[in-house]
Amino acid sequence: DQQVKQNSPSLSVQEGRISILNCDYTNSMFDYFLWYKKYPAEGPTFLISISSIKDKNEDGRFTVFLNKSAKHLSLHIVPSQPGDSAVYFCAAMGTSYGKLTFGQGTILTVHP
Amino acid sequence: GAGVSQSPSNKVTEKGKDVELRCDPISGHTALYWYRQRLGQGLEFLIYFQGNSAPDKSGLPSDRFSAERTGESVSTLTIQRTQQEDSAVYLCASSPTLVSTDTQYFGPGTRLTVL
Repeated sequence: DQQVKQNSPSLSVQEGRISILNCDYTNSMFDYFLWYKKYPAEGPTFLISISSIKDKNEDGRFTVFLNKSAKHLSLHIVPSQPGDSAVYFCAAMGTSYGKLTFGQGTILTVHP
Repeated sequence: GAGVSQSPSNKVTEKGKDVELRCDPISGHTALYWYRQRLGQGLEFLIYFQGNSAPDKSGLPSDRFSAERTGESVSTLTIQRTQQEDSAVYLCASSPTLVSTDTQYFGPGTRLTVL
């Protein structure tokens, strides 16, 4: 039962263009959403988060959008840089404190 | 300051053997979490600690899995009678508290291979 889904296993983008990573969830009890970035042989690092009371949160080149009615969130990276190449995980948290439910991840490759 | 550390970084074991994985959280973090990532999949929650108490053990895959934490410090995840399906990267994370807005900081993981 995959409660958080990232349907695109990979995404390839040209440097300077926008990267859009998508995530869908099924559990309506989720009220806090996060994006993590992971390089090979390293643990995931926190990127940006959004509470269910908001529909947008921005931090520099990274913006997360939340559409609660569609149970969908997306991460926009503008402009994309080669150093952004990594695996991006969407995660969600609900009433179970501490328990993050992760998607399968999307491999982002940014070409120079 | 130092981040979350895990040891060993890699562990190869034979089916049926017991293994012990170690996590050193960030100093002062009261909450500690264990996840695992099987090949091609997302991270799967296993267990969390608030201090040395584990209120919810329902994420542990079977009774072969157990975890403990000493005070608000080191945690060990033990897998008894390992099976091939236990092969995965086991990740530990810590956060200052259990509040959802507290960032979970992850260690580099232990890659477990069961032959």
